[in-house]
This record gives sequence, structure tokens and C-alpha cells, in this order.
Amino acid sequence: GAVVSQHPSRVICKSGTSVKIECRSLDFQATTMFWYRQFPKQSLMLMATSNEGSKATYEQGVEKDKFLINHASLTLSTLTVTSAHPEDSSFYICSARFPGRSYNEQFFGPGTRLTVL
Amino acid sequence: AQSVSQHNHHVILSEAASLELGCNYSYGGTVNLFWYVQYPGQHLQLLLKYFSGDPLVKGIKGFEAEFIKSKFSFNLRKPSVQWSDTAEYFCAVIPHQAGTALIFGKGTTLSVSS
Repeated sequence: GAVVSQHPSRVICKSGTSVKIECRSLDFQATTMFWYRQFPKQSLMLMATSNEGSKATYEQGVEKDKFLINHASLTLSTLTVTSAHPEDSSFYICSARFPGRSYNEQFFGPGTRLTVL
Repeated sequence: AQSVSQHNHHVILSEAASLELGCNYSYGGTVNLFWYVQYPGQHLQLLLKYFSGDPLVKGIKGFEAEFIKSKFSFNLRKPSVQWSDTAEYFCAVIPHQAGTALIFGKGTTLSVSS
């Protein structure tokens, strides 16, 4: 149990276009999901916390108008990178907090590799 | 600045060698501590976690970690590594005052040669 999926796994887009990444909890309901960004050979950096039915909480330095997060249901959160530029190329990972487990335990999706040309 | 530090960027070992990966954090107060592993091409998986109680934590695949509060450390150990342990290892912390978001270290790449 406690599986988190992401779609797509890889996406290549042209500069200026928007890209939507989906994060789904497959076998549990996640009231809270997190979005991370990972640069090569670097740590995962928290971008935002997504709570079902409310606005996402963004970390300092993350542009909320550029990285739109929607948590419309208890099993789905989406991250839309708007007007993508080459510097947005990165590995985006989501995680979901499992409400029945230890309070702070999270389960991670496999990540989405975004390449902006 | 508050952070999580992993001292070793890349560790290279032969099979059967012992492993210790360092992790230090700079948050005061109560923390939850985690080690995650990311095998090539796969997603992050939880190796072990510490919330409270016995500071020596046993995880999956023969890994263990020791929480030393006085040293703000949570080092990962394995007595005898295998080629299949080749992966990226991340230490992560949840400082209670910061909510439920994980704060990650930069990661350590472990390469095990057979």
C-alpha cells in the first residue's frame, strides 16, 4: 500500500509553453501533498505544500504564479509550470502524507523529468 | 542557516566493506529523522526513521542509524555492503516547529564494486 504515482515521467517542451504534472495517491487519501524540485547532484528542495481544498503554501523564493498547484481531490495534486523556460528544467518529485501512519511519514512519487528547450 | 548536512558526497566501497554515512542537522528541539534511498531510475524509498525511543534504529536491508542528540547527528551504517546497495542516500529531517515538510541533505552517492 501507500503508492504515489506521477505522470508524465518525462516531458520535453518548448520555451514559453506550459506543462502540467500530476501526482496521485493510488491506494490512500492524502490531505497533504508536497512538491519538491531536485537539481542534478543536489538535494530535494521543497517548493510548496498542497492541502486538499485550499491554496498551496509556497516556500520562500518559489513563484506561485509560475508554479501553479491545485489539489482538487484527496488523491490528486497537479503542478503546472507556466511559460516554462530552460532554467525550469529539473526533476520534480511529489510526496503524499499518509494519514493513518506515523504523523510525519511521507511516500514519494517516482518523479518527473522536465526538459525545456 | 538551519540545515541538514551530509559530509560525504561520493563514497566508493568494495563489496563486504562496512559503511557509515554522516548526517548532521542544525535544528534545535524535537526532530523526526529519516534516511531515504534512491536506486538508479527509481523513486525515493524510506530506509528507516526515528521519531522517539531507542536511538539505535534498524531499517530495511540491514541498514541501521544512530541518533546522537548531543551531536545533532543521525549517521547511517551497514556492516557489509553489497553491489545492490549502489544508490543515492538522503538524510532528511522534520523539525517540529516547521510543520511536516521534510528538509533534505544534499545526498551521498554510494558506489559498490563487486
